[in-house]
Amino acid sequence: AQSVTQPDIHITVSEGASLELRCNYSYGATPYLFWYVQSPGQGLQLLLKYFSGDTLVQGIKGFEAEFKRSQSSFNLRKPSVHWSDAAEYFCAVGAGDMRFGAGTRLTVKP
Amino acid sequence: EADIYQTPRYLVIGTGKKITLECSQTMGHDKMYWYQQDPGMELHLIHYSYGVNSTEKGDLSSESTVSRIRTEHFPLTLESARPSHTSQYLCASSEFRGLEQFFGPGTRLTVL
Repeated sequence: AQSVTQPDIHITVSEGASLELRCNYSYGATPYLFWYVQSPGQGLQLLLKYFSGDTLVQGIKGFEAEFKRSQSSFNLRKPSVHWSDAAEYFCAVGAGDMRFGAGTRLTVKP
Repeated sequence: EADIYQTPRYLVIGTGKKITLECSQTMGHDKMYWYQQDPGMELHLIHYSYGVNSTEKGDLSSESTVSRIRTEHFPLTLESARPSHTSQYLCASSEFRGLEQFFGPGTRLTVL
């Protein structure tokens, strides 16, 4: 059965610092992987997705993620965090029947 | 503008009331979904639809029902709301062969 684990419930970083959010997945075949962001009171917005090909994918808002099959991971990164990046981030795996992680809440310190 | 809409955004009601959460999309997507979201938990799929007159239950058991009479409209109904139904409900849609889902802003439901 497919599943997603986001080990970090809450992360705090200083504005301008780099960010890495972890995501591990379990999936029987080649995974389709996604990162979504949710601001307070809003729905989920797609940041980036991986279907195949280059394992480093670029997304919106300066985010990128790297697919590592050997580690079953799809970590999200950003080199310099902005205060507006404070939100909840969800990793997801699958197609159609998508499975979501429990989310990582990002706090940005001034 | 192509988008997905949910109304109401916030709803506070008493136990035993019948409610309908509305979801509409203008993207022409065939597939639509309802998720339940609680703080610190993963999103749980409660209903989905492949198209008009198609409805299926998701992984999470839910006392709600859905209908899909028009492509763009996928309402969710609770016949008798209870405090255990307090949650955020997210609607999403995707193309029939699409892999990514597009989400509405959500409805936060509180049942007293």
